[in-house]
Amino acid sequence: EPEVTQTPSHQVTQMGQEVILRCVPISNHLYFYWYRQILGQKVEFLVSFYNNEISEKSEIFDDRFSVERPDGSNFTLKIRSTKLEDSAMYFCASRRNGQLQPQHFGDGTRLSIL
Amino acid sequence: SQQGEEDPQALSIQEGENATMNCSYKTSINNLQWYRQNSGRGLVHLILIRSNEREKHSGRLRVTLDTSKKSSSLLITASRAADTASYFCATASGNTPLVFGKGTRLSVIA
Repeated sequence: EPEVTQTPSHQVTQMGQEVILRCVPISNHLYFYWYRQILGQKVEFLVSFYNNEISEKSEIFDDRFSVERPDGSNFTLKIRSTKLEDSAMYFCASRRNGQLQPQHFGDGTRLSIL
Repeated sequence: SQQGEEDPQALSIQEGENATMNCSYKTSINNLQWYRQNSGRGLVHLILIRSNEREKHSGRLRVTLDTSKKSSSLLITASRAADTASYFCATASGNTPLVFGKGTRLSVIA
């Protein structure tokens, strides 16, 4: 069964540096999402992406965050000028067209900012 | 917000028993989904129930939805040690992103 894959599984970065988290969504999916989960807390929405543009973003997704789908298969999340509070699990998700389609999640990237 | 909130926060049962988790939300939805998360792993989609459905089954899972009370329940029958995980409900309306609750940590003791 096709699945969403994320790399790396764990990323350790110095505060102030830039990180890029990578995702390969399921190939026939059209909607793409990034969520994050701070340790012990709920999963929070960051951004959704459809038709090569951001369709919705949350307050967390500030000017330091950006997303890109550079080549029709990868979907990346970039965080510039990282802060300690960016430390979290970041999940990529994708779904097919149709409002009643479930989202499929990757296993996440654990981002640790030192 | 259409926030899903689960209760209980934690549940510990013996293998073979049934586990029931509840979820409440605040606004109109067109579907509600349940996900499982094993420790350190991603979210696995379990079941989606539409707003015009009252009950849905999938294997040992049974989900109910009461839109008048804005609540849902997930029942896992004949639990197994492998069911140990956190369970989250998530609500959606149209193409909006999922809004997750805080989850229920289920421990099934062999």
